Amino acid sequence: DAKTTQPTSMDCAEGRAANLPCNHSTISGNEYVYWYRQIHSQGPQYIIHGLKNNETNEMASLIITEDRKSSTLILPHATLRDTAVYYCIVRVRAGANNLFFGTGTRLTVIP
Amino acid sequence: ETGVTQTPRHLVMGMTNKKSLKCEQHLGHNAMYWYKQSAKKPLELMFVYSLEERVENNSVPSRFSPECPNSSHLFLHLHTLQPEDSALYLCASSQVATLSTDTQYFGPGTRLTVL
Repeated sequence: DAKTTQPTSMDCAEGRAANLPCNHSTISGNEYVYWYRQIHSQGPQYIIHGLKNNETNEMASLIITEDRKSSTLILPHATLRDTAVYYCIVRVRAGANNLFFGTGTRLTVIP
Repeated sequence: ETGVTQTPRHLVMGMTNKKSLKCEQHLGHNAMYWYKQSAKKPLELMFVYSLEERVENNSVPSRFSPECPNSSHLFLHLHTLQPEDSALYLCASSQVATLSTDTQYFGPGTRLTVL
């Protein structure tokens, strides 16, 4: 699986959009971009995933650049409960269903 | 609630004890996983079960022994653990173990402390 690079930490004001970047410059054509988050002392929670098109669901939006070398997770209106570590993971389509978590971005939503 | 439950939520044990962690999923999934999360380290995959058969074992010491009696239940039997085994142990499930785009759903974890 391709390696990802994320900032170690970010702050966001409550009610504002949180934009979390992820670089995956070595991603190959059959690898998907997944985002999970982990709130303190809880298990990781799936957020969203995509291949090449932008995706949106009830939790977030995922913007993938045209060359697929980077992506941005957008939480449109951050709340205090969105404070968590956010993990960007790239995964091949075929093969065992392993998730390789890096160190992620610690997002702190500030009142 | 993700549909994956784990018990106990917290466990303290001595190095000579034998204990078991339990995971149950109510999602109708066919694959279950054990992960270990040590302080300040990324999640590490330990075991993968698909249709009750172990399909992956990531060089985990034999003092950790998994058991999957059916597709809804997964156990992790612990014996003669070391203090460095203290960690958050997470269980996850997914529909299919061999399709990498399949989403995994995690339980809340068991916080294990080995004295």
